[in-house]
Amino acid sequence: DAGVTQSPTHLIKTRGQQVTLRCSPKSGHDTVSWYQQALGQGPQFIFQYYEEEERQRGNFPDRFSGHQFPNYSSELNVNALLLGDSALYLCASSHDPDRATEAFFGQGTRLTVV
Amino acid sequence: LAKTTQPISMDSYEGQEVNITCSHNNIATNDYITWYQQFPSQGPRFIIQGYKTKVTNEVASLFIPADRKSSTLSLPRVSLSDTAVYYCLVGEGPMRFGAGTRLTVKP
Repeated sequence: DAGVTQSPTHLIKTRGQQVTLRCSPKSGHDTVSWYQQALGQGPQFIFQYYEEEERQRGNFPDRFSGHQFPNYSSELNVNALLLGDSALYLCASSHDPDRATEAFFGQGTRLTVV
Repeated sequence: LAKTTQPISMDSYEGQEVNITCSHNNIATNDYITWYQQFPSQGPRFIIQGYKTKVTNEVASLFIPADRKSSTLSLPRVSLSDTAVYYCLVGEGPMRFGAGTRLTVKP
């Protein structure tokens, strides 16, 4: 079992550009959540996908959007990148969107906006 | 969502037992308490989860008093590799992380 895999591991983008990050959940998991983690802070919840729908969303602007595919994999898109979007982006998968079940995290994608 | 409060940082020495307490005064009846561990540049890793009394696994123990307004994560005989940030989370649905407790284990 490969666990949660994220790609790419590192990315450098220019301010104003758009970026797409990808996540494959752990086998058997159908729920994917995305988090942004700035240096020295805890992960901040962006949104959660279940059954290809966005179920919950944190306090992030519309520049942040996502998608979940029928195979449960997910993408996070960020438009009009700002310097402040530089962070570690984490994907977590679980098998129940409503229960506090054990979630598995990927290693993250380190995004640097210059 | 229940708000949690935990110490910002703690220091310990190898071989000691470490107890990290988390306060969650407005925990709801259906809420579980979950702890995660995070090393630098890695995603958080599930440690333990409980609802009441005591839960133990191969990594840690979780103590929850009857009123459930706090919980204590106990790490037995820590080693240098236990240096990490520990997060206490309360509630259901998507996890909402606070700043966590930065544990530093010294030789």
